[in-house]
Amino acid sequence: ETGVTQSPTHLIKTRGQQVTLRCSSQSGHNTVSWYQQALGQGPQFIFQYYREEENGRGNFPPRFSGLQFPNYSSELNVNALELDDSALYLCASSLGRHRDMNTEAFFGQGTRLTVV
Amino acid sequence: AQTVTQSQPEMSVQEAETVTLSCTYDTSESDYYLFWYKQPPSRQMILVIRQEAYKQQNATENRFSVNFQKAAKSFSLKISDSQLGDAAMYFCAYRSPRGAQKLVFGQGTRLTINP
Repeated sequence: ETGVTQSPTHLIKTRGQQVTLRCSSQSGHNTVSWYQQALGQGPQFIFQYYREEENGRGNFPPRFSGLQFPNYSSELNVNALELDDSALYLCASSLGRHRDMNTEAFFGQGTRLTVV
Repeated sequence: AQTVTQSQPEMSVQEAETVTLSCTYDTSESDYYLFWYKQPPSRQMILVIRQEAYKQQNATENRFSVNFQKAAKSFSLKISDSQLGDAAMYFCAYRSPRGAQKLVFGQGTRLTINP
């Protein structure tokens, strides 16, 4: 069984540009969550997709958007990049939705985004 | 909204000794899940241990155990026989059984193992 993979691993963008980050979920998983981890902080929930539909969103502006594809892979898009968007972006995949605690979330190694 | 607080930004321990990392949380829910994650320099979050709030028995996974005090909203992690490979950032996290499977993380504790 393959793990969660994210691409690219590192990225440098200029303020105002747009960026797309990609995540391949673990085999058999239908739920993908995205987190932003600023330097020295804990991850913060951006949003989650379950079977191609957004299933919850954190306190992030609309310029953060996402997609989930029929194969359950996912993209995170950020428009009009700001310097504060510089962070590690983590993707986590899991099976199922809410109530079942045993649906462990498996994380990828993240994409380090630097906005200059 | 739920919050998670880790009051120890850094901890260090001698190899083979025992260390305890602290975590407190705030919630109005009676049923929820708590987790400890490890984040080594490779950046990948790895689940260390989990606890269901309705279970009174503290979870144990090999050298890792928790002290879950529901009334005090405290969830500490004890690492016994510390090994060099335990060095990492450790994050405490909360998950509600309602809504999205979103994890609310604390700020993290950097654990250093001294040989």
